[in-house]
Formats: sequence, C-alpha cells, structure tokens
Amino acid sequence: SQTIHQWPATLVQPVGSPLSLECTVEGTSNPNLYWYRQAAGRGLQLLFYSVGIGQISSEVPQNLSASRPQDRQFILSSKKLLLSDSGFYLCAWSRDGNQPQHFGDGTRLSIL
Amino acid sequence: AQTVTQSQPEMSVQEAETVTLSCTYDTSENNYYLFWYKQPPSRQMILVIRQEAYKQQNATENRFSVNFQKAAKSFSLKISDSQLGDTAMYFCAFMKHDGGAQKLVFGQGTRLTINP
Repeated sequence: SQTIHQWPATLVQPVGSPLSLECTVEGTSNPNLYWYRQAAGRGLQLLFYSVGIGQISSEVPQNLSASRPQDRQFILSSKKLLLSDSGFYLCAWSRDGNQPQHFGDGTRLSIL
Repeated sequence: AQTVTQSQPEMSVQEAETVTLSCTYDTSENNYYLFWYKQPPSRQMILVIRQEAYKQQNATENRFSVNFQKAAKSFSLKISDSQLGDTAMYFCAFMKHDGGAQKLVFGQGTRLTINP
C-alpha cells in the first residue's frame, strides 16, 4: 500500500530564517505531488505541483519554492521566512488520471 | 475560474441524526470530479467520497452519500446515523486537469459537531 510521510509535524522559526519541509511517498512510482497551505479556519490553497522529477509548477506568487530531487520526494523551501508564511502545510500525492489526492499529516509552521 | 462555495460555516447535530452539508461550484467544464474531504482535529485530510460528473447516479460510501445536481452545480453531502467520530471540518473540492496534474479547488469548509 502507498504511504505519504511529511515532517516535521511542528516547526517554530524566526522571521528571516530559512525553511525546508520534506515529503516522501512510498509504495508507488512517478506520483503527482502537491504542496498546499491552509490558513487558520480556511480551506486549502494549492502552492506547487509536480508531475515528474525536476518539474515544478507554481500556482501563486510567494516567498516559497519547491523542488523534486527524486521521484518520490517533494521539498518546500524558503530562503527567508516572513510572518505571512505561518500556516498549516500539507503535502499530497495522486496517480495519473482522475484519481483522488491523498494527504500527509501536515506541518504546522509558526513564524515568530 | 472554478470556485467552490460552502455556505454553512458551522453545523451541529445530535448523535444518530442525519445531517446534510451544502456545496455549490462554478465551472464551464463538462467533465470533472467532485470530492468531499474530512479534516478531524488531528488535521489529517481524509477522503470521504468522490463523484464523477458524467455519472448520474449519486455516490454512496456506507453512511455517506451525495446529492449531485449537475445542472444546478450542487454537490451536497449527507451523513446518516451520525457518530461522534464524524466531528470534523468538511471540505468540498472540485478537481480540474491542468498541465498533466489534477488540481483541487477547495471550499472554505463546514465545521460539523456531533453532540452526544
């Protein structure tokens, strides 16, 4: 069966510090990968998606970037965090076609 | 652009009752998919049910069923015999294809509380 791992679960960072959140998928190959952000009490907003190694598409302009160095690894990064980067970040994967997305447990990011 | 609207920010029912969560969407596409996701206090997003727009039959998963009205662009979720474990945020989502990936557009969510 397929599993998705996301870490860390919680992160507190000062403004201006760098960020690296990691997501890995097991049990499948060449998945589509996604990063979402969820503001408090709100729905999810798609930030990035990837259909293959090295292929990254950005949905909204922002202070963050994403990379996919390996087939089942998706990384969300920032060189300098802003207060507005606080939120709950979720990674998801799906197969091709019309398959649903499956989510990781999320990372709660607080910027001080 | 596709939009998804959930008009009920919060709902509360007694255990064992039936509850219906509303969702409307806007799209010009003819073939698409709709989903309901559940997010309990643990914050994990869990797929509840999916509906293909080309299917007239409403999807059902145990106690969960949908009322899909394509012409009205309505996609409501009915939970029968509600249980305490159903307490969660519920998100309606529209899936569109773009650049080889499936993109989900989420509504703002409905906070459902099941009371003992």
